[in-house]
Amino acid sequence: NTKITQSPRYLILGRANKSLECEQHLGHNAMYWYKQSAEKPPELMFLYNLKQLIRNETVPSRFIPECPDSSKLLLHISAVDPEDSAVYFCASSPPGHNTGQLYFGEGSKLTVL
Amino acid sequence: GEQVEQRPPHLSVREGDSAVIICTYTDPNSYYFFWYKQEPGAGLQLLMKVFSSTEINEGQGFTVLLNKKDKQLSLNLTAAHPGDSAVYFCAVSERNNYAQGLTFGLGTRVSVFP
Repeated sequence: NTKITQSPRYLILGRANKSLECEQHLGHNAMYWYKQSAEKPPELMFLYNLKQLIRNETVPSRFIPECPDSSKLLLHISAVDPEDSAVYFCASSPPGHNTGQLYFGEGSKLTVL
Repeated sequence: GEQVEQRPPHLSVREGDSAVIICTYTDPNSYYFFWYKQEPGAGLQLLMKVFSSTEINEGQGFTVLLNKKDKQLSLNLTAAHPGDSAVYFCAVSERNNYAQGLTFGLGTRVSVFP
């Protein structure tokens, strides 16, 4: 799905700070960050609707989301931990009542040394 | 909140045979149901979305059955081929006026062997 782009696609970090970026060109109002650890399903981290944070699951405080506008979503990670190694998927969904239909990006794979 | 149980966790299928993956959910308000396929190192590919009360949907090489009475969703791979080797996730969502995301099952790793 090239209409949701994530960057970077791959990153390898020691205990550093980094930001993941996501942008969608679908005109959607809701944007999500999901974390998928190895051999696990995707788990919701954050959900924004119209730039408002409306779901904030149990996530370590070193993860800070930012939604500068409805089409863009950032995830700032400070002092990464080995347990943060995972693929981080961005997703978006259309405005209006919830249909459950999410459009996923291709993911950003984070490897923490 | 919603809980989704998916079984089996692993499935080994001979090429040409069929295989079934079953998800059981708990929330009676769940309304939208999805099957995703994830190949190694890849993203989530939507296979099918269903939301009628009891529905059989046919896709390319698979059938999806939703049984709301028993709160079960199943994916039947018919005549499996090597390209079906992947992890399959079911996912559910409520019908609401606001975005809320999906609850995923734990996944089933399918391996198709000759």
